[in-house]
Amino acid sequence: NAGVTQTPKFRVLKTGQSMTLLCAQDMNHEYMYWYRQDPGMGLRLIHYSVGEGTTAKGEVPDGYNVSRLKKQNFLLGLESAAPSQTSVYFCASGSGVETQYFGPGTRLLVL
Amino acid sequence: AQSVTQLDSHVSVSEGTPVLLRCNYSSSYSPSLFWYVQHPNKGLQLLLKYTSAATLVKGINGFEAEFKKSETSFHLTKPSAHMSDAAEYFCVVSDLTGGGNKLTFGTGTQLKVEL
Repeated sequence: NAGVTQTPKFRVLKTGQSMTLLCAQDMNHEYMYWYRQDPGMGLRLIHYSVGEGTTAKGEVPDGYNVSRLKKQNFLLGLESAAPSQTSVYFCASGSGVETQYFGPGTRLLVL
Repeated sequence: AQSVTQLDSHVSVSEGTPVLLRCNYSSSYSPSLFWYVQHPNKGLQLLLKYTSAATLVKGINGFEAEFKKSETSFHLTKPSAHMSDAAEYFCVVSDLTGGGNKLTFGTGTQLKVEL
């Protein structure tokens, strides 16, 4: 049982480049989430999805796009990376009010 | 809007002594509250959760937390610290409005355990 997996684990980008982070879950959860973690700020919600084909904005959505074409996958895209997007990105999945399960994280460095 | 305030950014204890990590919350309705732990370079693991059942919640690894509505607090405690408890701890409140279960995290408390 893999739980929540994230690809890649680490990436270095140059300013202006684009990339996509992939999150996959095998627990048949309806809800999926993308967070970013920055020192001293805890985790902040970027975007989330309440089901296949749906997405919604979280607290810090600017500069990111998401897609949920399949129930088990949630993609986070950066169209034109900026140094301010250097962070650790966590994906999570869950069912309603129950626990959210987190992936291992993706470290992104934008130069 | 929901929010949580973790009152200490760093806490240092000796192994075998009690742990107290403080959290206050703000919510317009009865909240669901969580404590998550993050060990260095790892993901987040749920320690315990409160969802309007018993006010004293027991979690994994000997941790527990008490929901006190009158004080809007949800402090995390453990009777005896172990070296393996050294990690960052996050108090979290959930927001169910607008669909989804959106979590708002506190800024974290770094727990150091010394011999």
